[in-house]
Amino acid sequence: DGGITQSPKYLFRKEGQNVTLSCEQNLNHDAMYWYRQDPGQGLRLIYYSQIVNDFQKGDIAEGYSVSREKKESFPLTVTSAQKNPTAFYLCASSEGQANNQPQHFGDGTRLSIL
Amino acid sequence: GDSVTQMEGPVTLSEEAFLTINCTYTATGYPSLFWYVQYPGEGLQLLLKATKADDKGSNKGFEATYRKETTSFHLEKGSVQVSDSAVYFCALKVTGFQKLVFGTGTRLLVSP
Repeated sequence: DGGITQSPKYLFRKEGQNVTLSCEQNLNHDAMYWYRQDPGQGLRLIYYSQIVNDFQKGDIAEGYSVSREKKESFPLTVTSAQKNPTAFYLCASSEGQANNQPQHFGDGTRLSIL
Repeated sequence: GDSVTQMEGPVTLSEEAFLTINCTYTATGYPSLFWYVQYPGEGLQLLLKATKADDKGSNKGFEATYRKETTSFHLEKGSVQVSDSAVYFCALKVTGFQKLVFGTGTRLLVSP
């Protein structure tokens, strides 16, 4: 079945530690995205990538980093510089950039601080 | 800037009641509009979309019509079920911008 796989489902971070969230898609989509969801708020864009080896900052990129070495993979690293990392992180992909193409989402990773 | 405003929740209904969740938007250009649904502990699922004025998106008994004159995209369902209990997000996307702009979500609670 085609889709987006995020892992792990739950993740805990210690102070000063970097953690990496995995996102893999087998939809053959060019574009991939990372969003952060906080309680009572909509989703906010962290980073996006339109093609392999290229990515751009979204609205809240500080304290995060990404890579796009393969079309199907777009991992997100939450660095120690992100002072408030507790949130639900959602990865998405879309076939292209046109505004009529929807984004498809994974099931998310919930990150908490130990 | 572009924005989406949704009605505050929770919306509490009895099974088989009629549902409306209001959504209005502000956007430059001509956005596409989307409704997503999120069940507890899960990611977002695309529910329906509309890409131009007067388009009606529909799926699983849910409908929404793209109203350019009122900049609205209200979600409706004629008869809700307990299984429809979830958080519903209205979103827009404008050509040339990569991100979806989301509303804050509306929680729907349906009781038997």
